[in-house]
Amino acid sequence: GAGVSQSPSNKVTEKGKDVELRCDPISGHTALYWYRQSLGQGLEFLIYFQGNSAPDKSGLPSDRFSAERTGGSVSTLTIQRTQQEDSAVYLCASSSRNQFQLPQETQYFGPGTRLLVL
Amino acid sequence: GQNIDQPTEMTATEGAIVQINCTYQTSGFNGLFWYQQHAGEAPTFLSYNVLDGLEEKGRFSSFLSRSKGYSYLLLKELQMKDSASYLCAATGLTGGGNKLTFGTGTQLKVEL
Repeated sequence: GAGVSQSPSNKVTEKGKDVELRCDPISGHTALYWYRQSLGQGLEFLIYFQGNSAPDKSGLPSDRFSAERTGGSVSTLTIQRTQQEDSAVYLCASSSRNQFQLPQETQYFGPGTRLLVL
Repeated sequence: GQNIDQPTEMTATEGAIVQINCTYQTSGFNGLFWYQQHAGEAPTFLSYNVLDGLEEKGRFSSFLSRSKGYSYLLLKELQMKDSASYLCAATGLTGGGNKLTFGTGTQLKVEL
């Protein structure tokens, strides 16, 4: 079946501009995660949505970053007034709670959006 | 400090066996994942350990010791296509929920 998809695959923007990154999770997955992978760094957690619960925003690096998930499916990560240090690969993952399957919450990743801020 | 540690890079020979180690801070620990990531691609799930012991899946095995905060990924009969970054990740290290805390990844190079 279809996996996690993200768009755009690449984005080049100028410092100070806003960008929106989109994630389409696997159909039926209730949890959605955003991570960032900078050059030479490990994946860094940004934000987590689980069903209708309030999102866990504890990983967002600044108030320039925000995300929403409409209708419990598609999510958009917005970066306002982009800075050069925002350049990274932004990865989205989704998972489902399946009590009959171990691990119950394996996260499946999309291909990422490569963001370059000039 | 670093919640998860793993070697930055390793080199091994085609057909050989390689073990990639990972250590983590045990406070809050829930479960341990290994992912494989080829250059320019998404991480793909390899294995999951929540109980102590060895989980075997074909050429790949993963081991966990909860008391020692230690895991390893064992790759047997190495193939050139196994050249990739191997990511160790844990849940529970940074609060509730299932968000993953990742190590920086171990870049494995398989040579002839």
